[in-house]
Amino acid sequence: AQSVAQPEDQVNVAEGNPLTVKCTYSVSGNPYLFWYVQYPNRGLQFLLKYITGDNLVKGSYGFEAEFNKSQTSFHLKKPSALVSDSALYFCAVRDGSTSYGKLTFGQGTILTVHP
Amino acid sequence: GAVVSQHPSRVICKSGTSVKIECRSLDFQATTMFWYRQFPKQSLMLMATSNEGSKATYEQGVEKDKFLINHASLTLSTLTVTSAHPEDSSFYICSARGTGVGQPQHFGDGTRLSIL
Repeated sequence: AQSVAQPEDQVNVAEGNPLTVKCTYSVSGNPYLFWYVQYPNRGLQFLLKYITGDNLVKGSYGFEAEFNKSQTSFHLKKPSALVSDSALYFCAVRDGSTSYGKLTFGQGTILTVHP
Repeated sequence: GAVVSQHPSRVICKSGTSVKIECRSLDFQATTMFWYRQFPKQSLMLMATSNEGSKATYEQGVEKDKFLINHASLTLSTLTVTSAHPEDSSFYICSARGTGVGQPQHFGDGTRLSIL
């Protein structure tokens, strides 16, 4: 079985400050990790992924995430938040050791960036 | 980037009506497509997975006769909600994944279904 935990329902930051959205995961095989963002009444937009290689991955809109195997974490970060970053963020994991692995999503974290 | 087109974006219809939702991958071949349902302020609930040319695999608790899925080509999957009732009202989102190791899933913009 696989699972994802996003321990914070909401994260509030001031514009220009760094932001972190936390994610921890559990999977029996190779972890393929993803971050998505969802704006109201829209589908999910892919931000970044970790499959293998460097633990720090960079994605769209200035976001990055660090894979930490020992802590089974994949926290999303951005050095300087924008008001337009306010949205719902989902972390997801898939077992990469199988071709037909399904994504398991966390419960989502609402990010609010204040002007 | 990879684009998934889903339509209609919103449907309002009477109870007992069947509703078809289309999901197309516009610039890549989707060997696998997924259909999700999302309740307000909640995460996505996987309903079914379909591979091109095969029958869909439904998650536990999802009625396959109620939610008919067809994945006839590498770029098109459809979800038909048959004889819809008010409890079927929800936000339905499709997703597609191409070939290759570690390919992410790309999502459509969702369909807001409201059954009166």
